[in-house]
Amino acid sequence: QSALTQPASVSGSPGQSITISCTGTNSDVGAYNYVAWYQQRPGKAPKLIIYDVSYRPSGGVSNRFSGSKSGNTASLTISGLRAEDEADYYCSSYTSSSTWVFGGGTKLTVL
Amino acid sequence: EVQLEQSGAEMKKPGESLRISCKASGYSFINYWIGWVRQMPGKGLEWMGIIYPGDSDTRYGPSFQGQVAISADKSITTAYLEWRSLKASDTAMYYCTRGYSASSEFDSWGQGTQVFVSS
Repeated sequence: QSALTQPASVSGSPGQSITISCTGTNSDVGAYNYVAWYQQRPGKAPKLIIYDVSYRPSGGVSNRFSGSKSGNTASLTISGLRAEDEADYYCSSYTSSSTWVFGGGTKLTVL
Repeated sequence: EVQLEQSGAEMKKPGESLRISCKASGYSFINYWIGWVRQMPGKGLEWMGIIYPGDSDTRYGPSFQGQVAISADKSITTAYLEWRSLKASDTAMYYCTRGYSASSEFDSWGQGTQVFVSS
């Protein structure tokens, strides 16, 4: 099971929008609408920010975070970038082997 | 409030055994899956496996099958991750997590347990 492919880093200025891609195969991302995104700040545990491709958990995740999917590629978009969004972001997908696989992670820098 | 409280940091030698724990509270332990995620130093997240405490149904990621054992004791709402013989490459942070089903995301995470393996 190979890790999903994410860009190593992205950056943007405050107020801008950025998109992080997550590319898998037709055995994971392309096969199911079970894609999740996690935010991990330095020294902290990851936090769920998007599940089932485009849903935000209740209580505490800003509507500036949104998710989508097309074919074998899922995307996370953060609009109205803020300094507090600087973190590592990981996608994850359910697979045809009844397991989950993570992406390699993307470091977001807010300039 | 859902809480996953993990055991403390461990320093071990290669070849030693280890079991780390994850104490769950604030929800029905037997009705949710508990998962384990590895993060090696400076690296990304890796899905290790999950267990359903209700019936001990357990699944492992391909890289972890046969390398670790996941178990749960529903009488004390605690899950475990165990190694029989540690290697230096097991040095990592390990997170326990919770999911509603085997195909669901992890909606809660423990604080992590740091494991150091060195001679």
